[in-house]
Amino acid sequence: DTGVSQNPRHKITKRGQNVTFRCDPISEHNRLYWYRQTLGQGPEFLTYFQNEAQLEKSRLLSDRFSAERPKGSFSTLEIQRTEQGDSAMYLCASSTATGGPYQPQHFGDGTRLSIL
Amino acid sequence: DQQVKQNSPSLSVQEGRISILNCDYTNSMFDYFLWYKKYPAEGPTFLISISSIKDKNEDGRFTVFLNKSAKHLSLHIVPSQPGDSAVYFCAAIRGRNNNDMRFGAGTRLTVKP
Repeated sequence: DTGVSQNPRHKITKRGQNVTFRCDPISEHNRLYWYRQTLGQGPEFLTYFQNEAQLEKSRLLSDRFSAERPKGSFSTLEIQRTEQGDSAMYLCASSTATGGPYQPQHFGDGTRLSIL
Repeated sequence: DQQVKQNSPSLSVQEGRISILNCDYTNSMFDYFLWYKKYPAEGPTFLISISSIKDKNEDGRFTVFLNKSAKHLSLHIVPSQPGDSAVYFCAAIRGRNNNDMRFGAGTRLTVKP
């Protein structure tokens, strides 16, 4: 169990640019989640996948946000035409769907996005 | 909509004493609750959970209590240790297949030696 890995750890970009973050979940986990966390707040759910299927995306913040998990393994979160308000920590988590109805989500260390 | 609330942004306790962290929720449809601990520059780490059909769950020094009528849960840490110093998040999930987990804003616990 190598844990959830997120890359890059930090991303600094200019307003209006597109950014993409990658998440590699724990290998046997088939569920993957994306969250956003701003200063002084808890993580805010964005979307989740079971295998390659994106089962919930209504909480994505705008149509500038999109996520993929093409082969049911790693996932990417893309933000197009970034805005100042997108500056935040983006967290990825994974869990297994077996062993009971609620399996805790295991988080990566996040990607911190700073918009200049 | 802040459905999960942690009204104390910080808490300071002496080593060896009890730490009590509180959490309130507004949505009676939540049926599973979790506590996560977060150190600086790291992601949240799962600590303990409780189903809405129970009122207590214990794991070593950590105990979570659930009062459904008051829509309130608490995390007790006994005895507190300096390594417990972290931000603690309360979280809640609604529905068996609903993975939309809602978090509180967190409480920063400081355990003084």
